[in-house]
Amino acid sequence: AQTVTQSQPEMSVQEAETVTLSCTYDTSESDYYLFWYKQPPSRQMILVIRQEAYKQQNATENRFSVNFQKAAKSFSLKISDSQLGDAAMYFCAYRSRGGADGLTFGKGTHLIIQP
Amino acid sequence: DADVTQTPRNRITKTGKRIMLECSQTKGHDRMYWYRQDPGLGLRLIYYSFDVKDINKGEISDGYSVSRQAQAKFSLSLESAIPNQTALYFCATSDPNRGGTEAFFGQGTRLTVV
Repeated sequence: AQTVTQSQPEMSVQEAETVTLSCTYDTSESDYYLFWYKQPPSRQMILVIRQEAYKQQNATENRFSVNFQKAAKSFSLKISDSQLGDAAMYFCAYRSRGGADGLTFGKGTHLIIQP
Repeated sequence: DADVTQTPRNRITKTGKRIMLECSQTKGHDRMYWYRQDPGLGLRLIYYSFDVKDINKGEISDGYSVSRQAQAKFSLSLESAIPNQTALYFCATSDPNRGGTEAFFGQGTRLTVV
């Protein structure tokens, strides 16, 4: 079974600065997808970014980028120019290529933005 | 209108009561999921369904049952609610052939069992 580990229960960053959230995972598969979801206080789950394991290039979405290290099974999220609206819980998630049995989530990181 | 709609959004119920959480979707996806979120534990899979005739248990299915009434509707039932089922429940859909690989979530149902 796959596992996803987020070792930082809480992170704090000053507005406009850069922060990196860590995620590691364990799998025996070679083809899979990784995701970062954001959950603001509204509790809606919002997809931030996705990475396909067979693509070596790191995914980027505006201020959000990932550092995907397949051999190390590491998938960190970098948020540049942090904004107050980035304050939320962030969940790292894994899905196998077939995706049949849903997502496996980490326990989440609570990101605080200091004004 | 939301693509994935959960009702109710919030519910308080008493121990021992039967309760149903409902989920409907307009995305046309075949796959539907129920997750449970607890503080400090992330989201865990309760049940998932590929179509009306295909229901599968997830990681934490004990104490829950589901019904897939149609492609668009997937309900979660607690036959006899207990306090440790107090949690935030999410319905989600996906279909790699239609919407990509990610899951699309409803707004969540906050359930409190007293």
